[in-house]
This record gives sequence, C-alpha cells and structure tokens, in this order.
Amino acid sequence: AQSVSQHNHHVILSEAASLELGCNYSYGGTVNLFWYVQYPGQHLQLLLKYFSGDPLVKGIKGFEAEFIKSKFSFNLRKPSVQWSDTAEYFCAVLPTDSWGKLQFGAGTQVVVTP
Amino acid sequence: GAVVSQHPSWVICKSGTSVKIECRSLDFQATTMFWYRQFPKQSLMLMATSNEGSKATYEQGVEKDKFLINHASLTLSTLTVTSAHPEDSSFYICSAIAGPGDYEQYFGPGTRLTVT
Repeated sequence: AQSVSQHNHHVILSEAASLELGCNYSYGGTVNLFWYVQYPGQHLQLLLKYFSGDPLVKGIKGFEAEFIKSKFSFNLRKPSVQWSDTAEYFCAVLPTDSWGKLQFGAGTQVVVTP
Repeated sequence: GAVVSQHPSWVICKSGTSVKIECRSLDFQATTMFWYRQFPKQSLMLMATSNEGSKATYEQGVEKDKFLINHASLTLSTLTVTSAHPEDSSFYICSAIAGPGDYEQYFGPGTRLTVT
C-alpha cells in the first residue's frame, strides 16, 4: 500500500535556526510531490511542488525542497526560520496514475520561538 | 490565485440531524472536487472524489449513504452528513482542481462540525 511518512511530528526551534523536515513515500511509479502549510486557523496553502525537472525546487517564503528519487524522499528546508513560520506542514504525494488522489503525511507541527 | 470557499465555517448540530456543507470554487470552474476529513492533530484523509455531473467516488471505508456528495455545477459541490453522530465530529475540507491534468489542488478553509 502507498504511504507517506513524515519523520517528525513536532519540532520546536528558535528564530534564525535552520529547518529541515523529512518526507519519504512508498510508491514505485511516477509521482508528483507537494508540501503544504497550514497556519493556525487558516486553510492549507501550497508551499512548493515537484512535477519533473530540477529536483531542487524553490517555493514561497524562502522554502525549498529536494527530490531524491533513489531515496523516495522529498525533504523540506528553510535556512533561517521566523516566528511566522509556526504552522503545521504536510507532505503530500500524488501518483500520476491515481489522478487527483493526494496522499498526505501525518504532518509536522513546527513551533518557532522568538 | 484560485480560491475555494466553504460554508459554513463551523456548525454545531444535534445527534440524528443532517448537515450540509458547501464547497465553491470562486474564480474558476472545478471539474473535480475532493472531500477530506481531518481529525485533531492528524492528517487529511480523502473521503471522496466528486466530478461535476456524475456520482462521487468514495474511498474504502467511507459510508456513501452517510456522506452524500453532490456536484451539481462546475463551481459547487456539497457534502451532506446524514443522521450525524458525535463520532462524525471533525474538520471537513474540500479541494478543487480546474481540469484534467491539473495536478494542483486548491483547498477550502474547512468546516468544523460538532455533533452533540
């Protein structure tokens, strides 16, 4: 069965620290990959996506992610976080042959302290 | 950007009653909409896929008679929770895509349902 695994459920870090959130998936075919963010009380927003091409993708708000096909991973990074990055982050996988059916990871709650 | 709205944003109902949640694409036509359920501190679980003008496709384990989905137009899908029970209390989120081959989903703000 397909699955999406996020390594950390809860991360606490200080402002200006670097952030890396792990995401691994299990699926043998071609996938599209996404990171979504959910700020407190708000709806899901797309941070970045990978469809094809350069495996290092840049998203909004200074986030980037690297797709490593051999490791089935799509880790999210930000060099220097801000208090406003406090949110829940979801990795999501869309197998290209399961049209539209996103599979979400469990999410990682990130808390950035001033 | 593409905007998806949901109404209501929160609703409280008594056990045994039915509740309808609306999902609208405001500035684009959505050939397909998705309904998710999110439990506290958990991920989103896909409930069903709704295509305009056809019956919804439900995921395994989702009761189609309990969660009625209607996608009557290209901008509106509704989810009706029938004979709601406290265990149906959850956060319901819809998303929409503009057309075939559009892999990016646009999410609504969600509806918090509490069944007393």
